[in-house]
Amino acid sequence: EAQVTQNPRYLITVTGKKLTVTCSQNMNHEYMSWYRQDPGLGLRQIYYSMNVEVTDKGDVPEGYKVSRKEKRNFPLILESPSPNQTSLYFCASTLNRARGSDGYTFGSGTRLTVV
Amino acid sequence: KQEVTQIPAALSVPEGENLVLNCSFTDSAIYNLQWFRQDPGKGLTSLLLIQSSQREQTSGRLNASLDKSSGRSTLYIAASQPGDSATYLCAVQGGSEKLVFGKGTKLTVNP
Repeated sequence: EAQVTQNPRYLITVTGKKLTVTCSQNMNHEYMSWYRQDPGLGLRQIYYSMNVEVTDKGDVPEGYKVSRKEKRNFPLILESPSPNQTSLYFCASTLNRARGSDGYTFGSGTRLTVV
Repeated sequence: KQEVTQIPAALSVPEGENLVLNCSFTDSAIYNLQWFRQDPGKGLTSLLLIQSSQREQTSGRLNASLDKSSGRSTLYIAASQPGDSATYLCAVQGGSEKLVFGKGTKLTVNP
């Protein structure tokens, strides 16, 4: 089944303790992206990657890091989480337009609480 | 900068009613438009994808239209059911691969 898999689904952590949220897709998509969703603010892009070893900032990158060492994986790293990073996080992927984008596929989300 | 607006923010209808959700975007230079459904605290389920060259797409009781020149899309839901209750999100993909979302319409279908 074509899918984007995120782990964990739920995470409660303490301020300052480094964490990684994993994301993997099995559709051979070039483009991957991370979003956060907050009440009243909607979905906002954190980081994106056009292909392996190519990443760039989205609209709200502060406090986050990403890496793209393999095409299928795009982990989101919070090196020193703070309470304002409490949010619902989504990973997404799509083909690039040169190959004919078939729309985005989203993961099931990670509910992160930083206390 | 692309902005996507969805009206209304919330909608409550009786079961069986046909309804229309609206989406508008400021930059008509889009590659495609996608409608998603989101249940509370859950992930995004893709409902319909309309490429920029298309005018509409249909899936079951859902029909989405796109008028790129006027920056508008509508999602039509026929014969609504309580199971259709969810938040519906409109998103456009523009010059980059980036997807820009509206804030959604929260739909409640009452039995």
